[in-house]
Amino acid sequence: EIVLTQSPGTLSLSPGERATLSCRASQSVSSSYLAWYQQKPGQAPRLLIYGASSRATGIPDRFSGSGSGTDFTLTISGLEPEDFAVYYCQQYGSSPPMYTFGQGTKLEIK
Amino acid sequence: QAQLQESGPGLVKPSDTLSLTCAVSGYSISSSNYWGWIRQPPGKGLEWIGYIYYSGSTYYNPSLKSRVTMSVDTSKNQFSLKLSSVTAVDTAVYYCARKGSGYPIFDYWGQGTLVTVSS
Repeated sequence: EIVLTQSPGTLSLSPGERATLSCRASQSVSSSYLAWYQQKPGQAPRLLIYGASSRATGIPDRFSGSGSGTDFTLTISGLEPEDFAVYYCQQYGSSPPMYTFGQGTKLEIK
Repeated sequence: QAQLQESGPGLVKPSDTLSLTCAVSGYSISSSNYWGWIRQPPGKGLEWIGYIYYSGSTYYNPSLKSRVTMSVDTSKNQFSLKLSSVTAVDTAVYYCARKGSGYPIFDYWGQGTLVTVSS
């Protein structure tokens, strides 16, 4: 089973700053199979990025994803107040189908 | 646009079976998508439980496979989860979600329902 490790655990930044969140896989992951979600307290996760770098419908362009192999990054440029939340990466393994999530990065207001 | 809504008991006794249903509106469950369950223990991360196709084909997380059963009712446009022999570690918010087309992602989610396992 592929393990996803996210860092940092908590990131403290101010509105307007740039956030860089990391997701490292224990073995290589196809870029097509890496996604990012945002979760706010009391809400379901919301899909942000799929295929490592494609934004989901309605997601602002300040969110971007990059990476390949075992290292993936979610970047939020120009933080808005509504961006402070927990972010999860997710990967898919195909034989047999299996989804795993990272432990999450909490983005908090400094 | 699909809308999903979980329902079921919020309290289940240890060793009993947890049963939840997800009602789908605004989208036919018989379309080409898998329909899944994901859970989140209080204050913790997300765990994929499994998913089901409208035809009944299922894939489960190997760590839960022996206790999980999923089913689909196309006439009611809903799908269900059963988790047997529950213990306190199964206490979690349970989400139903739609697997997106073309990519292994979950693009529509229910609001989630908290299930507590306690006597």
